[in-house]
Amino acid sequence: GAGVSQSPSNKVTEKGKDVELRCDPISGHTALYWYRQSLGQGLEFLIYFQGNSAPDKSGLPSDRFSAERTGGSVSTLTIQRTQQEDSAVYLCASSKDRGAYEQFFGPGTRLTVL
Amino acid sequence: AQSVTQLGSHVSVSEGALVLLRCNYSSSVPPYLFWYVQYPNQGLQLLLKYTSAATLVKGINGFEAEFKKSETSFHLTKPSAHMSDAAEYFCAVILPDYKLSFGAGTTVTVRA
Repeated sequence: GAGVSQSPSNKVTEKGKDVELRCDPISGHTALYWYRQSLGQGLEFLIYFQGNSAPDKSGLPSDRFSAERTGGSVSTLTIQRTQQEDSAVYLCASSKDRGAYEQFFGPGTRLTVL
Repeated sequence: AQSVTQLGSHVSVSEGALVLLRCNYSSSVPPYLFWYVQYPNQGLQLLLKYTSAATLVKGINGFEAEFKKSETSFHLTKPSAHMSDAAEYFCAVILPDYKLSFGAGTTVTVRA
């Protein structure tokens, strides 16, 4: 079956613009996670969804970051007024449910803020 | 708080030699531990996981890891390195709220 997909694969934007990153999880996976991978910070947790709810938003770096999930499926991570420090690879993962289930990762979106 | 520490940011091995990547964990409760691999410009792929069953865990591509409570370690090994093993490897632990906390990663290069 299809794995986790993310779009776009690459995004170059200018400082101050808004961007939307999309994640399509594996069908039937109820848990969805966003992580950020950057040179200075390694892999960081951003937010996770159980169904359409986001019980834990503690990893979002600032109020410029938001995320939603609709229909228990597709998720969108939005970054408003992008800054250069937002440049990173944004990874999405999904799992069958919360818990120690394997998280399956997408290929990521590489965001470059000029 | 639970966390993992990877020792060594870079490891270079000869083709056919043993690959050993070190990971130590910090946890007051039995942890669930994972090793992921990331090839260039790709996402993370699970190599293996420890979920408190057998202490010796076998994964894909000939990798295995042994959970040692006395040493708080979960080192990853492969008896014979292949050129295709060149990648970055991450050790991770599941936190009580089910997000993954990753180590800093170890980049493996394989010399012909």
